[in-house]
Formats: sequence, structure tokens, C-alpha cells
Amino acid sequence: GENVEQHPSTLSVQEGDSAVIKCTYSDSASNYFPWYKQELGKRPQLIIDIRSNVGEKKDQRIAVTLNKTAKHFSLHITETQPEDSAVYFCAASRGYGGSQGNLIFGKGTKLSVKP
Amino acid sequence: DVKVTQSSRYLVKRTGEKVFLECVQDMDHENMFWYRQDPGLGLRLIYFSYDVKMKEKGDIPEGYSVSREKKERFSLILESASTNQTSMYLCASKERKLFFGSGTQLSVL
Repeated sequence: GENVEQHPSTLSVQEGDSAVIKCTYSDSASNYFPWYKQELGKRPQLIIDIRSNVGEKKDQRIAVTLNKTAKHFSLHITETQPEDSAVYFCAASRGYGGSQGNLIFGKGTKLSVKP
Repeated sequence: DVKVTQSSRYLVKRTGEKVFLECVQDMDHENMFWYRQDPGLGLRLIYFSYDVKMKEKGDIPEGYSVSREKKERFSLILESASTNQTSMYLCASKERKLFFGSGTQLSVL
């Protein structure tokens, strides 16, 4: 089955710097890759996602890149702010419905942005 | 606005008790999920359901069961709670994208 590895497990940056979190997946049939942000004491929330027919997607200060050949995808946060401090989870799935649509999550990255 | 509601934010139970965790979604989603979140282990799938009265095991179903009598409600049941089931439990529902409830922090003493 699918396996998703996420690195690093913790990341500390200075406010204004960029942060990059990387994930690799094992199932070449995976075609949907979301990223979730979980602030302390709150639910995970979807912040950006990408499908396998796209190599890069941006939304303001966040972007996700996908390399299907290497089976890895990354989250990039530019101009980090203290409110970006949270745990970030990557995930992968093969589709929408049935068990193939189930997301497999990485173990998470705790990002700390120091003022 | 998307809404997945879990009935309890915090729950304290004793070993051996039968525990019910309730989850309701108002988006008419067919797919619902129960995850367990532990530090360093990420989100692990316990059970999921694609339709009323339908259920399938996830990665860590042992010690748990589920019930889905109505489309909007998905219940997680701990038949006989044990201390190693102390954890954060997250319900989620999905059509094309996955939405989480706010979680239930369960402590089994």
C-alpha cells in the first residue's frame, strides 16, 4: 500500500525567511496531494492541494510542487510569519472514491517561526 | 460553510468502560472517517464508511468498532476502553476534499 514519508519532523525559521517541507510517496498511482495545517488545539485544515496533472500550484505565500518521476512533493512557505507556526501534514491518495480515495498522511512537521 | 461536529471536546473514561464518540456532518457527504492522532505518529485511519450501514477497516481497527445508521452520523465505539487508547480522535468527512471535526481528546484511566 501507499506510504508517505515527511521531512523534517521539526523546522525552526526566523520570521521573513522561507520554509520548505518535503514528502515522498511510494504508490506511483497516487494522483492527489493535499497539505493540512494544524494549529495548536485546533483541527487540521486544508491549505493547498495539487493533482498529478499539475507540477506547481501557488496561493499567495504558499506553494506546492510535485515531481511525479521522483515521487516527491514539497510545501513552500515564503515570508514566514509567527501565525504560520503549526504542524503541517502532507498526504496522498489515488483518487476520490472507495478505499483508493483514502488519504495516507505523513507524520507531520512542526514549524516554529521566531519573531 | 463546511461543518463536521464531534459531540465531546474532552472525555475521561475508566479502563473497561464502553465509550461512544459521535460525529455529525451537514454536507451530505457519503464518505466519513475516524482517525487517531498521536504525537510523532501522525494521523492513522481507524475505520471509514462510504455509505449508510457500510463500514471498512482502516489501518488500526483493533479494539474499535463503528456505526453508521444515518448518512450524517458516524460513531466510533470502544467496546472496552484501555489505557493505550488514550489519544486525540478526529472525525472527518469527504466528497472531493477531506474536512475534519475539532477532535475529541480521550483519556482512559
